[in-house]
Amino acid sequence: DAGVIQSPRHEVTEMGQEVTLRCKPISGHNSLFWYRQTMMRGLELLIYFNNNVPIDDSGMPEDRFSAKMPNASFSTLKIQPSEPRDSAVYFCASSVFGTGNSPLHFGNGTRLTVT
Amino acid sequence: QQQVKQSPQSLIVQKGGISIINCAYENTAFDYFPWYQQFPGKGPALLIAIRPDVSEKKEGRFTISFNKSAKQFSLHIMDSQPGDSATYFCAASKAAGNKLTFGGGTRVLVKP
Repeated sequence: DAGVIQSPRHEVTEMGQEVTLRCKPISGHNSLFWYRQTMMRGLELLIYFNNNVPIDDSGMPEDRFSAKMPNASFSTLKIQPSEPRDSAVYFCASSVFGTGNSPLHFGNGTRLTVT
Repeated sequence: QQQVKQSPQSLIVQKGGISIINCAYENTAFDYFPWYQQFPGKGPALLIAIRPDVSEKKEGRFTISFNKSAKQFSLHIMDSQPGDSATYFCAASKAAGNKLTFGGGTRVLVKP
């Protein structure tokens, strides 16, 4: 079990640039979550998918953020255009929805710095 | 609206001591309460979890106490070790595997 795999681990970009974060969930998991972690706001849920379908995107801060899950093994979180206040660690997590017993498994995150 | 409140924000404990972290929730629909442990540069990892049909759950040196009427739960780390130094998050959801609402986190430092 390779765990949840996120790439890149670090991303430094300039304000106004497009940023794409990638996530590969654990094989067999059918729920995928994107969280953002900052000192000020802690861990915030941005969006989550069940069976590749977005269920709740109410945490997405604004239209500059978008997320897709084209298949069960891949998801992206895109920020366009990026702003300095988007600087944070972005985590992807996966679980098995519907069993009532599966915890969330987190990746090691992508640290995004927007200058 | 902060649905899960966690305290303290940080604590320092001597090796062998007891670390206690408290959380309170507001949404009575929550029925799954996990604790996550996070080391620097890593994602949070599940430590221990409880459901409201039990008042206490113990796994090794880690114990969750749950008070449904008060809508509070706590993590006790017995015989704290330097390797326990990490940030601990309480969380709540309507079911395991569902979206988690996290507390603000507690940074624990265990001094040797």
